[in-house]
Amino acid sequence: NAGVTQTPKFRVLKTGQSMTLLCAQDMNHEYMYWYRQDPGMGLRLIHYSVGEGTTAKGEVPDGYNVSRLKKQNFLLGLESAAPSQTSVYFCASSYWGATDTQYFGPGTRLTVL
Amino acid sequence: RKEVEQDPGPFNVPEGATVAFNCTYSNSASQSFFWYRQDCRKEPKLLMSVYSSGNEDGRFTAQLNRASQYISLLIRDSKLSDSATYLCVVNRVTNFNKFYFGSGTKLNVKP
Repeated sequence: NAGVTQTPKFRVLKTGQSMTLLCAQDMNHEYMYWYRQDPGMGLRLIHYSVGEGTTAKGEVPDGYNVSRLKKQNFLLGLESAAPSQTSVYFCASSYWGATDTQYFGPGTRLTVL
Repeated sequence: RKEVEQDPGPFNVPEGATVAFNCTYSNSASQSFFWYRQDCRKEPKLLMSVYSSGNEDGRFTAQLNRASQYISLLIRDSKLSDSATYLCVVNRVTNFNKFYFGSGTKLNVKP
């Protein structure tokens, strides 16, 4: 099993450009999450999904959109990138139970100039 | 107030030392507790779950005190390879399975 994979691993954008980050998991997890991690701020939840076809906003959703058309994939879109979106983005997945932990992808390092 | 608070460190210890980290959480309805390890520029990885009865995995011991709302991690006989950032994570199921992350405690183990 590959676990959770993310593409791309690195990306540099100019302000105003758009891009999509792809997350895929092969563990049949119901829940998927997108986080961003900035120095000194810990992981912050952007959007999440509790199942195929459903998405919801997390703590910091502005400037991002998501889609989950298939259970194994969770896409994060930036429609018009801003320098404030320079960050490391992690995707994670989990089962639905309270004792179930999260599994993370390797991350995408995004720089917006 | 943050959901999960940790001392950012860094904790600088020699090889072979014993080091302990604490973390506090603010919501008494929190249900599950974990320690994750994060190496520089890598994804967080589960180190161990934390139970009220305490649990041990080799050189690592985790404890949960629900009354005082804190979680601890003890590392014995520190190795150079233990150098990393340790994240305290709590879980609470509301309308979904939500995880709350501390900002992490950095550990540097020196020869």
